[in-house]
Amino acid sequence: DAGVIQSPRHEVTEMGQEVTLRCKPISGHDYLFWYRQTMMRGLELLIYFNNNVPIDDSGMPEDRFSAKMPNASFSTLKIQPSEPRDSAVYFCASSSAHGSPLHFGNGTRLTVT
Amino acid sequence: DAKTTQPNSMESNEEEPVHLPCNHSTISGTDYIHWYRQLPSQGPEYVIHGLTSNVNNRMASLAIAEDRKSSTLILHRATLRDAAVYYCMIMEYGNKLVFGAGTILRVKS
Repeated sequence: DAGVIQSPRHEVTEMGQEVTLRCKPISGHDYLFWYRQTMMRGLELLIYFNNNVPIDDSGMPEDRFSAKMPNASFSTLKIQPSEPRDSAVYFCASSSAHGSPLHFGNGTRLTVT
Repeated sequence: DAKTTQPNSMESNEEEPVHLPCNHSTISGTDYIHWYRQLPSQGPEYVIHGLTSNVNNRMASLAIAEDRKSSTLILHRATLRDAAVYYCMIMEYGNKLVFGAGTILRVKS
């Protein structure tokens, strides 16, 4: 299995632009998670899905952030418009049954100038 | 979300065992105990998890207290590659994991 695949690995954009981060979970996993990591706040859970349905989006910082999971093999995290304070590493993770480990992707390093 | 408490940092000598403690006094009966680590410039990596009984895998051992209010991650022989931030977390129903600050493990040669 290729593991959780995230793209792009790096993204540099200007303030005000739309940014879309992508994630392909491990096949057969029912849960998908989006995390953000910064030096100041550490790893924060933004949102997670179960069977493609958003379960908890309480970590999404504001309306500029949105996430979708149109099918079991793909999810996107969109920021529109982006701001410099959104600069961070964004991780996607997936897991299978209740209690099972989370498998993390390699992350997308976002820089907003 | 169930809270965990870990020391901010620990230090170990290479080739010696390391015991990383974690307190989780508010854990519920069906919550799992999970440990992850994050090496510099990498994403979090699963280490081990358990429910009630002690667990062993190729990376580490997990010792769970009888009342489940604490656990200890055991690295049997620390190497320089084990230097990382180690996170202890409680997985409640829904597989949600909330990361805390973790324990920074330093390994001396």
